[in-house]
Amino acid sequence: DAKTTQPPSMDCAEGRAANLPCNHSTISGNEYVYWYRQIHSQGPQYIIHGLKNNETNEMASLIITEDRKSSTLILPHATLRDTAVYYCIVRVAGYGGSQGNLIFGKGTKLSVKP
Amino acid sequence: DVKVTQSSRYLVKRTGEKVFLECVQDMDHENMFWYRQDPGLGLRLIYFSYDVKMKEKGDIPEGYSVSREKKERFSLILESASTNQTSMYLCASRNTGNTEAFFGQGTRLTVV
Repeated sequence: DAKTTQPPSMDCAEGRAANLPCNHSTISGNEYVYWYRQIHSQGPQYIIHGLKNNETNEMASLIITEDRKSSTLILPHATLRDTAVYYCIVRVAGYGGSQGNLIFGKGTKLSVKP
Repeated sequence: DVKVTQSSRYLVKRTGEKVFLECVQDMDHENMFWYRQDPGLGLRLIYFSYDVKMKEKGDIPEGYSVSREKKERFSLILESASTNQTSMYLCASRNTGNTEAFFGQGTRLTVV
């Protein structure tokens, strides 16, 4: 799976949009971009994923550049409860075996401040 | 809702003990995973299983073994616990294909 690069930390004001970048310059054509987050002392939680089109769900939006070498997770109105470590992961859409494993990097620690 | 349940939230064991960490999922997922998480190192994959009785090593399998006798249950075994295995252990499950993974709440293991 391709490696990802994320800033180690970011701050965001409550109520503002949080934009979390991720570089994945060696991504392959069959690899998806996934985002998870981990709130302190809990297990990681899935947020969103995409292949090449932008995606939106009730939690966030995912913007993937046309060349797919980078992406941005957008939390449109950050709240204090969004304070967490956010992980960007790229992986093959696997069908068993060693394909499709989630390889976590160190993520971005997002601090939402009042 | 999918549930991934880990048997213990906190566990304290002595060096040399055999330790079992249990994980159960209720959504008939084929794939199950064990990770450990340490400060500054992030989540690291220990073992995973893509079917009953099937297992593959992850990045850091040394000192661990696993068992998957039933589809819903994936056990992590520390044959002889050591202090460097003190960590947060996270279990996850996922269906085959392009789907999200669901994580348990984690077991914080302390080996003294």
